[in-house]
Amino acid sequence: AQSVTQLGSHVSVSEGALVLLRCNYSSSVPPYLFWYVQYPNQGLQLLLKYTTGATLVKGINGFEAEFKKSETSFHLTKPSAHMSDAAEYFCAVSGRTSGSRLTFGEGTQLTVNP
Amino acid sequence: ETGVTQTPRHLVMGMTNKKSLKCEQHLGHNAMYWYKQSAKKPLELMFVYSLEERVENNSVPSRFSPECPNSSHLFLHLHTLQPEDSALYLCASSQGSASSYNEQFFGPGTRLTVL
Repeated sequence: AQSVTQLGSHVSVSEGALVLLRCNYSSSVPPYLFWYVQYPNQGLQLLLKYTTGATLVKGINGFEAEFKKSETSFHLTKPSAHMSDAAEYFCAVSGRTSGSRLTFGEGTQLTVNP
Repeated sequence: ETGVTQTPRHLVMGMTNKKSLKCEQHLGHNAMYWYKQSAKKPLELMFVYSLEERVENNSVPSRFSPECPNSSHLFLHLHTLQPEDSALYLCASSQGSASSYNEQFFGPGTRLTVL
């Protein structure tokens, strides 16, 4: 069975500061990994995903994440936070076999202070 | 309309009511999903349809009944719900098969309140 743990249900940063949202996974084999963002009153939107190849993945809106197999982590970062980044962020994991489904973390609410 | 749309956006119903949630995707996708998003809990996958055939039902109570008449439309029929069913219900679709590595596109959700 696979699982996802997002450390910190709430993260607060100042505008222009580094954003770091933590995600650790548990899986018997290297999984597919995803970050989704949910803005208020909207559905989830894919930020980035890791399936294979380069372990540093770049996504939309200046976000990136690095797959570290030795640490079973897939932390999301952005060098400089913008007010528009305030949202809820979800890490998700899935197996690589046919029929695998996404398992989501509980989410991290990001607040950006002026 | 573009992307994935859901109606209604908000729904308040009593425990004895019958209502339906509607989802429509305008992306030409083959797979559609229903998720339940409750406060303080991870998203829960409820149902998966691939090419209009239900391929997964995650032990969802029978008071939730999905219907997928074609690859563009997905319904969730509700009857005799309980207050704990109050949540945001999200619809999603993906290209190709219902495989998790295919990006899922989500609708804005229906906020359901059961009194």
